[in-house]
Amino acid sequence: QSALSQPPSASGSPGQSVSISCTGTSSDIGGYNHVSWYQQHPGKAPKLIIYEVTKRPSGVPDRFSGSKSGNTASLTVSGLQAEDEADYYCNSYADSNNLLFGGGTKLTVL
Amino acid sequence: QVQLVESGGGVVQPGRSLRLSCAASGFTFSAYGMHWVRQAPGTGLEWVAVTWFDGSRTYYADSVKGRFTISRDNSKNTLYLRMNSLRAEDTALYYCARDLYDTGPTALDYWGQGTLVTVSS
Repeated sequence: QSALSQPPSASGSPGQSVSISCTGTSSDIGGYNHVSWYQQHPGKAPKLIIYEVTKRPSGVPDRFSGSKSGNTASLTVSGLQAEDEADYYCNSYADSNNLLFGGGTKLTVL
Repeated sequence: QVQLVESGGGVVQPGRSLRLSCAASGFTFSAYGMHWVRQAPGTGLEWVAVTWFDGSRTYYADSVKGRFTISRDNSKNTLYLRMNSLRAEDTALYYCARDLYDTGPTALDYWGQGTLVTVSS
């Protein structure tokens, strides 16, 4: 059960777009469409922002989008806003009823 | 609105046991899979365990398998995590979270605020 791989940090200026990658294997991201993304502000609980690779829960702005190619999933945040500064975690179902998280990416809005 | 409130955390010595609880409200608890997820201080999220809507199936991360037991009481709308043989590396904020579906694990759409467990002599 190895964690999924995310870059430790990402950054962008207000209004720009930034993408965060999440790399796994054929036993997790590559084999299933249960890839999710979570946003976590300091001292707060995580919040689901993308599920099943591309779907957004009600209330999540369409500035957030998800995609997947092979063993790598990506989260794109368009039109960056100050409040988007947070930690972002990817998550995938894995073989034998496991759930893996990525190590997290700290997004800084410059 | 959906609410998940964890309790039962505290300071415990290595090798001892602890039971966490999560009180659910605002939704039909018996219709959803439920999880425990933990976050060690200053680090990322780690999935711990899931139980199906009826408690018939449970699955665990390798790091806790054989030591932790997830369970639920649908008559009390409460989720539990029994933690035995605790180790220093189990020190973390433990979150209760709801699965999108009745089984799981898939995605976690609602989270509690967490309860802190510190394993230290």
